[in-house]
Amino acid sequence: EVQLVESGGGLVQPGGSLRLSCAASGFTFSTYAMHWVRQAPGKGLEYVSAISSNGGTTYYANSVKGRFTISRDNSKNTLYLQMGSLRAEDMAVYYCARGDDFDSSAYYDWGQGTLVSVSS
Amino acid sequence: DIQMTQSPSTLSASVGDRVTITCRASQSINSWLAWYQQKPGKAPKLLIYKASTLESGVPSRFSGSGSGTEFTLTISSLQPDDFGTYYCQQYNHYSLFGGGTKVEIK
Repeated sequence: EVQLVESGGGLVQPGGSLRLSCAASGFTFSTYAMHWVRQAPGKGLEYVSAISSNGGTTYYANSVKGRFTISRDNSKNTLYLQMGSLRAEDMAVYYCARGDDFDSSAYYDWGQGTLVSVSS
Repeated sequence: DIQMTQSPSTLSASVGDRVTITCRASQSINSWLAWYQQKPGKAPKLLIYKASTLESGVPSRFSGSGSGTEFTLTISSLQPDDFGTYYCQQYNHYSLFGGGTKVEIK
């Protein structure tokens, strides 16, 4: 059974940093692209970032480009999202998701999400 | 940039009703469209991918159709467990979600 478990969310001040993790199990992590999707309170889904299976290629939505960094450690079956210069509009539940492809994928499996709150 | 427009934004229907949700893309996305169901406090769940392929384990009352720029999700006979918010997603080029359709049971 595929499992994706996010962690690392919490309360951070505007301008601060946070690192999210997504621990994967139940599939061969190193052969799948991975993605981050977020959802602000009461709002819809927003695509954030993607990383190829070997970590060599990354993609960011314009809203986070230059502030967020996606990475992965295939030896630990773990996906990361390093978030910096956080703004109020970054407050959301962050989901990691598994997809077939890096740049064209439906998301077959999702984690339960981790909440990031940005407030002074 | 591609834009995805979902309609309606909310709908209220009775058990047994046929329900249709529409998703329009601002340019052709071929058949690279998925539909998700999300319940409050939960992660989205994939229902349909490649416009019309039913994900394993999803009830057959759900179906998807369309290609190019116009797509529909149909629930043939609405059930009490079908409440929630439904999202379309284009994945022709990276990913973009529609605004969502909240389905309420009368």
